[in-house]
Amino acid sequence: AQTVTQSQPEMSVQEAETVTLSCTYDTSENNYYLFWYKQPPSRQMILVIRQEAYKQQNATENRFSVNFQKAAKSFSLKISDSQLGDTAMYFCALAYNQGGKLIFGQGTELSVKP
Amino acid sequence: KAGVTQTPRYLIKTRGQQVTLSCSPISGHRSVSWYQQTPGQGLQFLFEYFSETQRNKGNFPGRFSGRQFSNSRSEMNVSTLELGDSALYLCASSLGEFSPQHFGDGTRLSIL
Repeated sequence: AQTVTQSQPEMSVQEAETVTLSCTYDTSENNYYLFWYKQPPSRQMILVIRQEAYKQQNATENRFSVNFQKAAKSFSLKISDSQLGDTAMYFCALAYNQGGKLIFGQGTELSVKP
Repeated sequence: KAGVTQTPRYLIKTRGQQVTLSCSPISGHRSVSWYQQTPGQGLQFLFEYFSETQRNKGNFPGRFSGRQFSNSRSEMNVSTLELGDSALYLCASSLGEFSPQHFGDGTRLSIL
């Protein structure tokens, strides 16, 4: 079975600071992708960043970067220069079997404080 | 380019009724996936359709069903509604083959 675990239900960070959100996963698949999505209070789920499991290089998207440790099955998200608009629920997700099925973690509620 | 459109945004039903939710994917996307989001269970995968065929299925009872039309629009049907079916139902579309899923705003279903 594929599982995704986010062990931090809530986190807070000061504006302009850096924060790291943790995620671990378990899968027996060889071909899979990992994602971070954010869901603001407005409720639309937005893609933050994507990592292909076969790539060793960590994905980066502007202020967002990941630390992908395949052997440890760890996939953390680092947000640099945090902004008030980053306040949201963040979900880690695993895709396998042609990618149409996402397994989500429980989410981490991030609050960015001024 | 228009995003994923879900209708209606809100629905109120009573136990025992049935409901149909609609999802129009981004133009050109052939994969449509459905998810149920609740405070207790989080985000759970329902099913995925690709080119009118169900390609993946989650662990939900047979009361939950779906279909996809030739224009890639998808519908989800829930029969014999139960109080526990109250949730936000999210639809997502993608090009397929591990391309990112783009989500709609969801349909909030409340069962009285």
